Amino acid sequence: QKEVEQDPGPLSVPEGAIVSLNCTYSNSAFQYFMWYRQYSRKGPELLMYTYSSGNKEDGRFTAQVDKSSKYISLFIRDSQPSDSATYLCAMITGGGNKLTFGTGTQLKVEL
Amino acid sequence: NAGVTQTPKFQVLKTGQSMTLQCAQDMNHNSMYWYRQDPGMGLRLIYYSASEGTTDKGEVPNGYNVSRLNKREFSLRLESAAPSQTSVYFCASSDLRTGVRSNYGYTFGSGTRLTVV
Repeated sequence: QKEVEQDPGPLSVPEGAIVSLNCTYSNSAFQYFMWYRQYSRKGPELLMYTYSSGNKEDGRFTAQVDKSSKYISLFIRDSQPSDSATYLCAMITGGGNKLTFGTGTQLKVEL
Repeated sequence: NAGVTQTPKFQVLKTGQSMTLQCAQDMNHNSMYWYRQDPGMGLRLIYYSASEGTTDKGEVPNGYNVSRLNKREFSLRLESAAPSQTSVYFCASSDLRTGVRSNYGYTFGSGTRLTVV
């Protein structure tokens, strides 16, 4: 079993929809949680960064962490075609020196 | 501010040839990483360097070697390329400081697309 599980999709939604992307993990020592966005033929870029449990909002994006369930989510409101990309979750322990990544979920937002 | 720069962007090799992928960062980051990305496999860590002067194996180190030349540069070498090494290679850097709640996020380069025939 992988330390971090992420549904690969692809996920196809209409423009304006609310998108929910999720990851589950098994290592209870993970403390820092991130979401990366990767456009086709580009490198991943950091989208959201959270510490421990709770919510963090940035514009149309909300990152949610539930440590008791070992479950993290990324919500995208009013999705746009420009949100079409692969979204990777990542996490690290407090004393860790490398991230553990999910395999990524491919999202397509259609007009 | 260039961030993480990888060269070359594209490369085609014949089986058995060698090459070095170059990576440089200008953010004064301590840690640097090499990943490969294959369809359905996600990002897989090849080698990393937590700080200047140290290197460690990742998940898939076989067939690769690395050199942390200085704080800015971290190169990946394929000594004898094989078709199984056809992939997209990403270099990344971060400012990890153990025990300090700093930004653990990585900055990635734009990748090297390598084909081994």
